[in-house]
Amino acid sequence: QITLKESGPTLVKPTETLTLTCTFSGFSLTTSGVAVGWVRQPPGKALEWLALIYWNEDKRYSPSLKNRLTITKDASKNQVVLTMTNMDPVDTATYYCAHRPGQTDAIIFDVWGQGTLVTVSS
Amino acid sequence: EIVMTQSPATVSVSPGERATLSCRASQSVYSALAWYQQKPGQAPRLLIYDSSTRATGIPARFSGGGSGTEFTLTISSLQSEDFAIYYCQQYHGWPPHLTFGGGTRVEIK
Repeated sequence: QITLKESGPTLVKPTETLTLTCTFSGFSLTTSGVAVGWVRQPPGKALEWLALIYWNEDKRYSPSLKNRLTITKDASKNQVVLTMTNMDPVDTATYYCAHRPGQTDAIIFDVWGQGTLVTVSS
Repeated sequence: EIVMTQSPATVSVSPGERATLSCRASQSVYSALAWYQQKPGQAPRLLIYDSSTRATGIPARFSGGGSGTEFTLTISSLQSEDFAIYYCQQYHGWPPHLTFGGGTRVEIK
């Protein structure tokens, strides 16, 4: 059974850097084709893709946020870390990490974490 | 960026009736289209990918169709647990620039 769980601060101040950790189980991030992604959702609004890291260290970012995002993985710890710099109140959202299956070419997320709400406020 | 537009924003349906949700892409995404269901306070759940392939464990009353720029999600006979928000997501092209639609809320009539 695949599970993912996000952890990190619930409150950050404007201009600070947000660091979120996704801890997963039930799969390996060394398996060909597998990836972990991050998606966020402001309160009452739609989903927005942020970043994706593949088993082979390939990293992809949303073009609109690319300059602020860094995604890394520690396969031995079963963790993926997302950092977002220069946080602003508009970045207030629930942040999800999710599993991208390796046995399809589709870039989809078949298992999601529960999400973590991050509020940006001074 | 490929913009995904979903319609209607809200649809009111009685239990047992059919619901048809639409998703339009600003340019062709071929069949690179997925649908997710989200209930209040929960993470999204994958329903459909590659436009029409049901994900593991998804009931047959959910069906997807379309290609290019026009897509539909049909729920053939709405059950109480189907009242939720539905999002489409495109994943065409490389490098990936995944985009989601604004969502359609399915509410009880």
